Amino acid sequence: DTAVSQTPKYLVTQMGNDKSIKCEQNLGHDTMYWYKQDSKKFLKIMFSYNNKELIINETVPNRFSPKSPDKAHLNLHINSLELGDSAVYFCASSRSGLAGEISYNEQFFGPGTRLTVL
Amino acid sequence: GNSVTQMEGPVTLSEEAFLTINCTYTATGYPSLFWYVQYPGEGLQLLLKATKADDKGSNKGFEATYRKETTSFHLEKGSVQVSDSAVYFCALSDPVTGGGNKLTFGTGTQLKVEL
Repeated sequence: DTAVSQTPKYLVTQMGNDKSIKCEQNLGHDTMYWYKQDSKKFLKIMFSYNNKELIINETVPNRFSPKSPDKAHLNLHINSLELGDSAVYFCASSRSGLAGEISYNEQFFGPGTRLTVL
Repeated sequence: GNSVTQMEGPVTLSEEAFLTINCTYTATGYPSLFWYVQYPGEGLQLLLKATKADDKGSNKGFEATYRKETTSFHLEKGSVQVSDSAVYFCALSDPVTGGGNKLTFGTGTQLKVEL
């Protein structure tokens, strides 16, 4: 059983288009994340949702809009795609701690979506 | 802000050689430390973790010890195999208000093991 799944695995599109990437986790976690990995393999967090609420929003262009319809899904919509958006996008999930508890729980990653903007 | 510094790669070793990948960090508070591994074409997998000073994380023959005095978390393995060829990421984790935690990654170190 796939724990964290992403679709599509590959996405090739033209500049200026709008595209979405979907992520689903079946681990029962309540926190989900999007990361971007550039061509040099550098990984940086973009967003995080906890129980459908946005809790991390790094400095990301507002062309990127995450949406969490429920705590098992976190989608990423990108408007007006640019060449610099070409990267591998990883979804991840984790448990959050109990209320008032510090959480260091492991994040589980999906297989990634390789986006190529031409 | 928090940051993680890893040694530059690629690191090329012969099978059965000893491996060390250096990792140092800068953080406020008391982060947890992780090593993740990314095999070609795949997502990241947790390799090992340590949540407090002097903790040693270990898995699949890999080890790393959380050294607060030197702010380091170096990855070691006594005898590498060809199947260990991958990119290794050191990361630190800070809890986030509202749940979950935020991972800050190093730049990754590519390891190539040859016969």
